Amino acid sequence: DAKTTQPTSMDCAEGRAANLPCNHSTISGNEYVYWYRQIHSQGPQYIIHGLKNNETNEMASLIITEDRKSSTLILPHATLRDTAVYYCIVTLGSNYKLTFGKGTLLTVNP
Amino acid sequence: DAGVTQSPTHLIKTRGQHVTLRCSPISGHKSVSWYQQVLGQGPQFIFQYYEKEERGRGNFPDRFSARQFPNYSSELNVNALLLGDSALYLCASSSEGTGIWYGYTFGSGTRLTVV
Repeated sequence: DAKTTQPTSMDCAEGRAANLPCNHSTISGNEYVYWYRQIHSQGPQYIIHGLKNNETNEMASLIITEDRKSSTLILPHATLRDTAVYYCIVTLGSNYKLTFGKGTLLTVNP
Repeated sequence: DAGVTQSPTHLIKTRGQHVTLRCSPISGHKSVSWYQQVLGQGPQFIFQYYEKEERGRGNFPDRFSARQFPNYSSELNVNALLLGDSALYLCASSSEGTGIWYGYTFGSGTRLTVV
């Protein structure tokens, strides 16, 4: 599995967009980018995933660069409940294991 | 609908003992995976089962074993417990094979403390 690099922590003001970056410069052509988040004392929660194109769902948007070496998860209007550790994961597909790094601790401030 | 349920939620064991953790996947999910999360780290993959067959195993010693039952529930067994086995054990199920993919759904985990 390709490795990912994420900032250790980020802050965001409530109501503002949170943009979480992820570098995956060694990603291969058939690997997907997945984002999960983990709120304290809970299991990780699936957010979104993509291969090449940008993706959007009710939770977030995923922007993948054209060379696929990096991506950004966007939470359009962050709330206090979005405070969590966010994991960027590169994997071959839906039936493969997830290799978690340490993720980014996003703190949303009032 | 019930999510992924794990039992027990908390457990304290003594070094050298054996432990069994249980997981019930979301109804209709045939794939179950187990992860270990040590404090301050991301979850680490232990096992994956699909249709009662082991599909993958992470870098864990043979003291760790698992199985999946005909109803797709699963057990994780750890023998000869060490202090380093203290962790949050997470179970995840997926809708693989159903044609609908929503990512893995994780349970809230079992907090194991070895003393």
